[in-house]
Amino acid sequence: AQRVTQPEKLLSVFKGAPVELKCNYSYSGSPELFWYVQYSRQRLQLLLRHISRESIKGFTADLNKGETSFHLKKPFAQEEDSAMYYCALRGSSNTGKLIFGQGTTLQVKP
Amino acid sequence: EAQVTQNPRYLITVTGKKLTVTCSQNMNHEYMSWYRQDPGLGLRQIYYSMNVEVTDKGDVPEGYKVSRKEKRNFPLILESPSPNQTSLYFCASRPRDRAFEGYTFGSGTRLTVV
Repeated sequence: AQRVTQPEKLLSVFKGAPVELKCNYSYSGSPELFWYVQYSRQRLQLLLRHISRESIKGFTADLNKGETSFHLKKPFAQEEDSAMYYCALRGSSNTGKLIFGQGTTLQVKP
Repeated sequence: EAQVTQNPRYLITVTGKKLTVTCSQNMNHEYMSWYRQDPGLGLRQIYYSMNVEVTDKGDVPEGYKVSRKEKRNFPLILESPSPNQTSLYFCASRPRDRAFEGYTFGSGTRLTVV
């Protein structure tokens, strides 16, 4: 079964501390993985795509097929990073369906 | 500006009163989808559409209907809303041939059914 698991509902860190938001997936083929961010009362925005290997707002995520993980990392958290983060997997069908994890709320304290 | 527009942003209604949430995109995207967001459950797909007149059920379609008569519009219809449909709803779209870009989401519709 295709599944995305984000084990932490809430991650609270102090400003300047490193951040790692965990994401594990279950998928039998070659996955397409994304991170979306939702700031308070705003729409979901695409943050990262594994295929592009980019760094956005200081965040990076590496696909680890051996561990079936796609953790989101940032070396120094900022208060404006406080938001809900969703990891998502594009399923194998041609429907383009995104399978989301449960989400992790990141709280960066001053 | 390229965007997905949902209306209304907020809606309070009573059980059994039919309602429609509209969704429109101006990017000529083939794929459109509706999700509901609930605490602890993340986002779950309700219905999706791969193109005009092509729709199919997602993971939680019960109690919902959709239509895709035009490429830009993908309304979500609740024929007889019930309190368990109280949720935050998101419409999303993406181009068929650029799946790696991910979806563009609307601003959301917060629905309360009393």
